[in-house]
Amino acid sequence: EVQLVESGGGLVQPGGSLRLSCAASGFTFSSYAMNWVRQAPGKGLEWVSGITGSGGSTYYVDSVKGRFTISRDSSKNTLYLQMNSLRAEDTAIYYCAKGRTSTSSCLTDWGQGTLVTVSS
Amino acid sequence: EIVLTQSPGTLSLSPGERATLSCRASQSVSSNYLAWYQQKPGLAPRLLISDASSRATGIPDRFSGSGSGTDFTLTISRLEPEDFAVYYCQQYGYSSGTFGQGTKVEIK
Repeated sequence: EVQLVESGGGLVQPGGSLRLSCAASGFTFSSYAMNWVRQAPGKGLEWVSGITGSGGSTYYVDSVKGRFTISRDSSKNTLYLQMNSLRAEDTAIYYCAKGRTSTSSCLTDWGQGTLVTVSS
Repeated sequence: EIVLTQSPGTLSLSPGERATLSCRASQSVSSNYLAWYQQKPGLAPRLLISDASSRATGIPDRFSGSGSGTDFTLTISRLEPEDFAVYYCQQYGYSSGTFGQGTKVEIK
């Protein structure tokens, strides 16, 4: 059974940094792309970033380019999202999601999410 | 950047009725890489349909997807009580995963 467990969310001041983690189990981690999707309170879903199974390619939505960095550690079966220069509009639940293939952002399995609040 | 526009914003129907949800893309979706997700309050989304028309594992056959190019449809043939939720379309080509703004299916 695929399990994705996010952690690292919390309250941070504008301009601050936070690193999210997603511990994966139940599948061969390095064989699948992984993604981050966020949902602001009461709003819709926004795809944020993706990384291929090999880790060789990364992708971002324009609003986070240069501020967020996605990475993965296959020895720990863990996905990360380093978030710098945080803004109020980054406040959201952040979901980790598994891609359908090594390069896909069709999202077959999701974690329960971790809440990030950017506020002074 | 592809923009996905879903309509209607809200669909008010009764159990047993047919639901038809639309998703229109601002440009042709690569290889019909179009998915549909269901989200219930307080829960993570769940994949229903991929590649425009392929049901995900365990999804009941009352859910069906159709369309190609820029126009896609999710149909729920007979609404069950557990189907009242928010539905999102997503394109996953072009090295991104843009979502539509969602359609809420509510009980009439």
